[in-house]
Amino acid sequence: SQQGEEDPQALSIQEGENATMNCSYKTSINNLQWYRQNSGRGLVHLILIRSNEREKHSGRLRVTLDTSKKSSSLLITASRAADTASYFCATDETSGSRLTFGEGTQLTVNP
Amino acid sequence: KAGVTQTPRYLIKTRGQQVTLSCSPISGHRSVSWYQQTPGQGLQFLFEYFSETQRNKGNFPGRFSGRQFSNSRSEMNVSTLELGDSALYLCASSLLSTDRGLSGANVLTFGAGSRLTVL
Repeated sequence: SQQGEEDPQALSIQEGENATMNCSYKTSINNLQWYRQNSGRGLVHLILIRSNEREKHSGRLRVTLDTSKKSSSLLITASRAADTASYFCATDETSGSRLTFGEGTQLTVNP
Repeated sequence: KAGVTQTPRYLIKTRGQQVTLSCSPISGHRSVSWYQQTPGQGLQFLFEYFSETQRNKGNFPGRFSGRQFSNSRSEMNVSTLELGDSALYLCASSLLSTDRGLSGANVLTFGAGSRLTVL
């Protein structure tokens, strides 16, 4: 079963707009990661946020984590057509344990 | 350095056959994980190997098996294929936190996947 649920399932925006994706999970976590998957390819790691962190930035990415609500959000600012992909959150319950992935958000950025 | 390599990239099998998929991890990575991805079930964890030992196993029937060799390369095998086994099989390698001497996360580097179609 999936640890995380992502919202929305699909998101379509115009280039230059911001995209926000949300992830909720069920159990206590050690950290939360976000991955991107281009159609039919492998996943690529984007960013990691530890359970004792509340916000993290990497380039145009901003991730927040609210452990009290068991939720995280990924914000992509100034989106580009190349950002079109599926985005997954992944959690591990203890340090170094296996990752459990959410169901993903399909992001489409229209030029 | 070279990424995670999976072979074959595409294959077609018929029900009842068996299949073996191969994964070569990033040099220096000793942990290899396998995931099955389908439209209906999403990404499902199959198993993880470290130093030739299975560390973790997901909730899949015994028809799904794997192994890891001394050079960290891994294979997974699916016997008596069913239509529902059609999926993208993803392999990922990682440095375990213990390898890095840090208490940290299991950050995965994925291969491009092996697309299995069962007819």
